[in-house]
Amino acid sequence: GAVVSQHPSWVICKSGTSVKIECRSLDFQATTMFWYRQFPKQSLMLMATSNEGSKATYEQGVEKDKFLINHASLTLSTLTVTSAHPEDSSFYICSARGLLAGGDNEQFFGPGTRLTVL
Amino acid sequence: AQSVSQHNHHVILSEAASLELGCNYSYGGTVNLFWYVQYPGQHLQLLLKYFSGDPLVKGIKGFEAEFIKSKFSFNLRKPSVQWSDTAEYFCAVTPSGGNYQLIWGAGTKLIIKP
Repeated sequence: GAVVSQHPSWVICKSGTSVKIECRSLDFQATTMFWYRQFPKQSLMLMATSNEGSKATYEQGVEKDKFLINHASLTLSTLTVTSAHPEDSSFYICSARGLLAGGDNEQFFGPGTRLTVL
Repeated sequence: AQSVSQHNHHVILSEAASLELGCNYSYGGTVNLFWYVQYPGQHLQLLLKYFSGDPLVKGIKGFEAEFIKSKFSFNLRKPSVQWSDTAEYFCAVTPSGGNYQLIWGAGTKLIIKP
């Protein structure tokens, strides 16, 4: 199956700093990438949808100036958490969707990034 | 609003027991349906999916699910579970022909006693 990687897998930062998380589709071109946040013992919460070369579409309640998303190429999307605060501590997961052999446009998930803000 | 409901938040079974996890969705149009699994400490993996055709879908590791359109359901089944099936299971739905945003259920944590 298709592989999606995330880097870093975990990060600890001081309050007020910015953190960048990368999401890469390793063996396919991702026309759309999705960013999720997963709280402990809860389901995934969609934060935003990004299509290559265009601005991301943010879900209601997600601050676009705080969570900057860049989808500069068909294999890379980045999420930057600006001026991070302890309440931003969470597990961030990306997924990628693209045309693969067989034609099904399913999403493939990255392993997630654990962010801890001190 | 579109939503996905998973009936059981926690399920505990003994090895070799049969499993059925419920999933119902609310959406009036055509949908694509998914079951994902998240093993402890690992990322989400696709178990199976339904796009069209035979409503009984077989996935990996002996899992299957049946799409019953009249009941808006997509229940996950396995005839005999193993200890290694301990994981969290998520049902997800996306309207066909859209941008494939997934609408997620809350998840069911399955614990298999050895």
